[in-house]
Amino acid sequence: AQKITQTQPGMFVQEKEAVTLDCTYDTSDPSYGLFWYKQPSSGEMIFLIYQGSYDQQNATEGRYSLNFQKARKSANLVISASQLGDSAMYFCAMSGTTDSWGKLQFGAGTQVVVTP
Amino acid sequence: DGGITQSPKYLFRKEGQNVTLSCEQNLNHDAMYWYRQDPGQGLRLIYYSQIVNDFQKGDIAEGYSVSREKKESFPLTVTSAQKNPTAFYLCASSPRQGKSPLHFGNGTRLTVT
Repeated sequence: AQKITQTQPGMFVQEKEAVTLDCTYDTSDPSYGLFWYKQPSSGEMIFLIYQGSYDQQNATEGRYSLNFQKARKSANLVISASQLGDSAMYFCAMSGTTDSWGKLQFGAGTQVVVTP
Repeated sequence: DGGITQSPKYLFRKEGQNVTLSCEQNLNHDAMYWYRQDPGQGLRLIYYSQIVNDFQKGDIAEGYSVSREKKESFPLTVTSAQKNPTAFYLCASSPRQGKSPLHFGNGTRLTVT
């Protein structure tokens, strides 16, 4: 069975600083995908970044980068130059390839508050 | 603009009543999903459908039912058999092929008293 663990319930970060959100996972599938989503207080889920298990390079999308360490089964999200609008809940999620790519297992999330 | 529409945003029901949550997408996606979110927790999969007239149970399907009569629509019925129906419900879609991320709707917050 797949499992996603986010051990940081919440964290404060100052504007313009970088922040790292931890995510570890467990799966027996050799092929899987790792996703990060942002959920503002309004509730919608916003896709941030994706990393495939066979991807050789760490994924980057603008200010977001994913520190993928396959041997340690970790997929930490790094947000550089934090902005006030980054305050939100962040979820790490994993997909297997058994029968549906959209069957995601989510972690419990990390609440990020960006302060001026 | 293409997207997923969930309505209503807030829904209130009395215990013992069935209630149906709407989800419509105009992204031409084959696959659609329903997730449930409880306070302080991640999302859990209720049901999903990869093609019209076919759907599969997710991790927490008990007390819920779905239909997929049209590609664009995937309504979720919360039945009276669902013991703790109060939650935030999110609908999502994706192309059936490829490794695209899920597109989510804005959610429906259901309160049952």
